[in-house]
This record gives sequence, structure tokens and C-alpha cells, in this order.
Amino acid sequence: EAGVVQSPRYKIIEKKQPVAFWCNPISGHNTLYWYLQNLGQGPELLIRYENEEAVDDSQLPKDRFSAERLKGVDSTLKIQPAELGDSAVYLCASSQGTGRGGMNTGELFFGEGSRLTVL
Amino acid sequence: DAKTTQPPSMDCAEGRAANLPCNHSTISGNEYVYWYRQIHSQGPQYIIHGLKNNETNEMASLIITEDRKSSTLILPHATLRDTAVYYCIVLGYGNKLVFGAGTILRVKS
Repeated sequence: EAGVVQSPRYKIIEKKQPVAFWCNPISGHNTLYWYLQNLGQGPELLIRYENEEAVDDSQLPKDRFSAERLKGVDSTLKIQPAELGDSAVYLCASSQGTGRGGMNTGELFFGEGSRLTVL
Repeated sequence: DAKTTQPPSMDCAEGRAANLPCNHSTISGNEYVYWYRQIHSQGPQYIIHGLKNNETNEMASLIITEDRKSSTLILPHATLRDTAVYYCIVLGYGNKLVFGAGTILRVKS
């Protein structure tokens, strides 16, 4: 079974340029997450989707970050314009449920991440 | 969700058991203890979780104290490939997974 697939694996851009990351979750997983991980720190949640709906985007800096999950499968995270401080690893994860209907919420499957360097 | 406290780093000899502690003294009755690990340049990987009882799977064992204020993740025979950052997370029903800084485990030959 294929895991969570992310691309690109690495991206180097100059500040003020746009960048986009793509994620394909595990088949059948309704919940999709985008996390940000700075060097030496644990991942931080940016946004969580239940199917097409963004149910938690409280940590997403909406002035420059946007995300979408059309058709409730693949997702794209965009930054426009990028700033130096956006250099980090962007992780996508998926899971089967969020606790609705009694399903366990904590077993997430992560991709390898997209490492962004902003110069 | 309750906060967790983990040592910043630990060393373990290859082939020996690695015992990673975690304190979660403010855990409430319906909160689970989860463990993840993150090997360098990879995404986090789920290891195990538990509520009250001790749990074991093919990767590790989880020992939760009777008062649930602390737990220990045990890797019974650590290998060099177990070198990673280990995260202990307390998660309530329907809440989001919040990662701390974790414990860097170095397995040495």
C-alpha cells in the first residue's frame, strides 16, 4: 500500500516568490493535515481537512498561506509571497478518522515532507 | 490536552533495551498517551498508544503507571536504526496531535 506522497521533496526559492506543495494521502483516508516543522522543533499543525472541509485552520497564516483539498483527496499548500522565515519542512499527514463515530484520532501517517529554503 | 515532559536526549547501547520516560501529570481520564518517532529527514512515524493498560506491538512496549501520570516507551533491543527523535503526546478524544520537542535517542554500537 502506498504511503502519503508529497512533492516536491526540496524547493529553493527567493523571497517574495510563490511556492506550492502537493500531497496525496493514503487511499480512503478522509482526514488530511498539513504541519510545519522548523529545525530542531516538533511539527506544528497548520490546517486539518475532513474530506473537502477545512475544520481547523486556526494556525494557518492566512495573509500568505492558502490550502485547498478539491474533491477531498489531494491537497495543495501554497505560500505567496514567501518570506525568509518560511524556510522549514512542510509535512502532510492523513488518517482514517477524527473521532467522529468513535474512531481513534491519533494514528496519523506522515509523508516525507517538503523542505523549503527561502533565500 | 495535557502537557508532557521528556528528557532532551538519551543514549543507548546497541542491543540493549531503550527506556524512554515521559511525564504527563495533568493527564485526564479520557486522554490517551501516544508515541511517535522521527528518523532524520523523514516524517514522524506512529509507534504505539495506550489509555490505562500496558500495550505491546511489534515495535515497542508502552508502560503506563497506575496513576497515569507518567509512561515509559520500551524498545526491547535497540538497533542503530532506532536512532531518532521520540515524541510523547497526550491526546484527548477528537483533539489535534500536538508535538513537543521530544527526546533524541542515540543508539551507539
